[in-house]
Amino acid sequence: RKEVEQDPGPFNVPEGATVAFNCTYSNSASQSFFWYRQDCRKEPKLLMSVYSSGNEDGRFTAQLNRASQYISLLIRDSKLSDSATYLCVVNGYGKLIFGTGTRLQVFP
Amino acid sequence: EAGVTQFPSHSVIEKGQTVTLRCDPISGHDNLYWYRRVMGKEIKFLLHFVKESKQDESGMPNNRFLAERTGGTYSTLKVQPAELEDSGVYFCASSQDVGFTDTQYFGPGTRLTVL
Repeated sequence: RKEVEQDPGPFNVPEGATVAFNCTYSNSASQSFFWYRQDCRKEPKLLMSVYSSGNEDGRFTAQLNRASQYISLLIRDSKLSDSATYLCVVNGYGKLIFGTGTRLQVFP
Repeated sequence: EAGVTQFPSHSVIEKGQTVTLRCDPISGHDNLYWYRRVMGKEIKFLLHFVKESKQDESGMPNNRFLAERTGGTYSTLKVQPAELEDSGVYFCASSQDVGFTDTQYFGPGTRLTVL
């Protein structure tokens, strides 16, 4: 079983839609979690950190359920510029453990 | 403030040759990490430096890979001799501290192709 699992997608949604991505992790001792965004052939960039039950930043909401070892990312009012791969990442005592990423394509 | 930089951006070599990748972290960041993404797989951790010391090298695939960080500034990752399965994108990241909340900032990566 992979340490971090994500649905690879792709998720194809129209502009203005709400889309949610899910992620599960295997190590119950994990303390912190992140969503990174990666554009094609670019480096991962931090989108949001999730330390407690959740975090909200504008159109983006991340939630954490420790009991179920589950993290989610909700994007409201999708924009064309949101098209990218979203990486679920768990902090493994310094080193980051990545999921394979979920690809989002927002169309006009 | 300059971000993490990596050189070269692309490298194409033949099997058996040697390649050296370089990473310059954000100034003042003691922690430097190397990661790799091979095609179709997730990004995977290779190793972690704190200043010039190797803190964790559990992700290094084998002894063909040698990472150094002399003086605690930039780092190099040498692959010798390169094999076909070493192809992928090598990312470097740096962070100020090592904590559960500390952010790692990634460089643009070096795309390595071994023919």
